[in-house]
Amino acid sequence: GAGVSQSPSNKVTEKGKDVELRCDPISGHTALYWYRQSLGQGLEFLIYFQGNSAPDKSGLPSDRFSAERTGGSVSTLTIQRTQQEDSAVYLCASSLGQARAEAFFGQGTRLTVV
Amino acid sequence: GENVEQHPSTLSVQEGDSAVIKCTYSDSASNYFPWYKQELGKRPQLIIDIRSNVGEKKDQRIAVTLNKTAKHFSLHITETQPEDSAVYFCAASNYQLIWGAGTKLIIKP
Repeated sequence: GAGVSQSPSNKVTEKGKDVELRCDPISGHTALYWYRQSLGQGLEFLIYFQGNSAPDKSGLPSDRFSAERTGGSVSTLTIQRTQQEDSAVYLCASSLGQARAEAFFGQGTRLTVV
Repeated sequence: GENVEQHPSTLSVQEGDSAVIKCTYSDSASNYFPWYKQELGKRPQLIIDIRSNVGEKKDQRIAVTLNKTAKHFSLHITETQPEDSAVYFCAASNYQLIWGAGTKLIIKP
């Protein structure tokens, strides 16, 4: 595709349920980032992939959060046993993974836990 | 690891005046410094970037300066307009982008 694609755009889930958020990066982009953004707040780093490996997963807030990337392309962020405080916009970004490479963001997934 | 600090968190300027946002970084190996603009309800988008081999870059009303010795870089917006109202994020990168906390820029009519 022409840009970074995230699905779904919106997700409403009940507290305690598991959710999966998907990110399709730009073709050829080896670096992929997941961020969480609450209303009016900054970009909270979650995890960074280079290819299929995650050299930095220091931002994952708890063991309920996990992410994987397969084939160096699509990534899935999974939140288990969702809590109300997980409600936020989850943004994915990708870049060529080289030094000095621009990152492109997806439109985000707005997650609401009720 | 890298740490990026951004100031101020909120900046309010009169339309037509200039705005300056500053960032400092900790890792001297960082060599790429982009600035992103995020309008309300939209995704962040790159507005300008600078690489470590130059000290200044300009694109119409926006400019970025880099002081590698002091490890800080700044975004300058001149002749501000209402459409400049947004949140601006700086970042520093060697390979992994590390972000500042953001600056909410308010342009007063």
